[in-house]
Amino acid sequence: QKEVEQNSGPLSVPEGAIASLNCTYSDRGSQSFFWYRQYSGKSPELIMSIYSNGDKEDGRFTAQLNKASQYVSLLIRDSQPSDSATYLCAVKAGGFKTIFGAGTRLFVKA
Amino acid sequence: DVKVTQSSRYLVKRTGEKVFLECVQDMDHENMFWYRQDPGLGLRLIYFSYDVKMKEKGDIPEGYSVSREKKERFSLILESASTNQTSMYLCASSFQKLTDTQYFGPGTRLTVL
Repeated sequence: QKEVEQNSGPLSVPEGAIASLNCTYSDRGSQSFFWYRQYSGKSPELIMSIYSNGDKEDGRFTAQLNKASQYVSLLIRDSQPSDSATYLCAVKAGGFKTIFGAGTRLFVKA
Repeated sequence: DVKVTQSSRYLVKRTGEKVFLECVQDMDHENMFWYRQDPGLGLRLIYFSYDVKMKEKGDIPEGYSVSREKKERFSLILESASTNQTSMYLCASSFQKLTDTQYFGPGTRLTVL
């Protein structure tokens, strides 16, 4: 069974701090990696995708991928209360299916 | 702008009823998916379709069926609703490239009494 594991949290950080969200996956053949944000009562929306080892930055968000360690992370700099949400890690190994983690709840305290 | 719509935001049904959930996407995506989301369990794939009239079972297909007669529309059917099917149901669509992300509809919160 291919798995994507995340710490369920909640992760609580003060406003302006860096939030670090982590994800591990079991399928070494995984090739595409995504971070989705899901606000309470809403559907997931894509915030970052990453396909090769290293860092990818987009505004306050940085995705980090280490395929050797089977590890993906998302850093949120200058965290804002509006970043409070559940963050889903998703992994695609080929074929049609994407495997989602159960999500990490993030609270940013004003 | 990608748009995935679902027929209802909230639905209340009785045990044993046949339930239809519809999803429509306007981006000409080949792939369409149905998930359910429950607290602590994350997103679980029920069925997906990679082409018109094609369907594949996901991880939890029992008690569900699907229909894809047109490329833009993917329906989820609960043949005889049960209380353990109370959940949030999310439809998604994507292109078939490996790098392509999934776009989600707003979700249908189904309660089976």
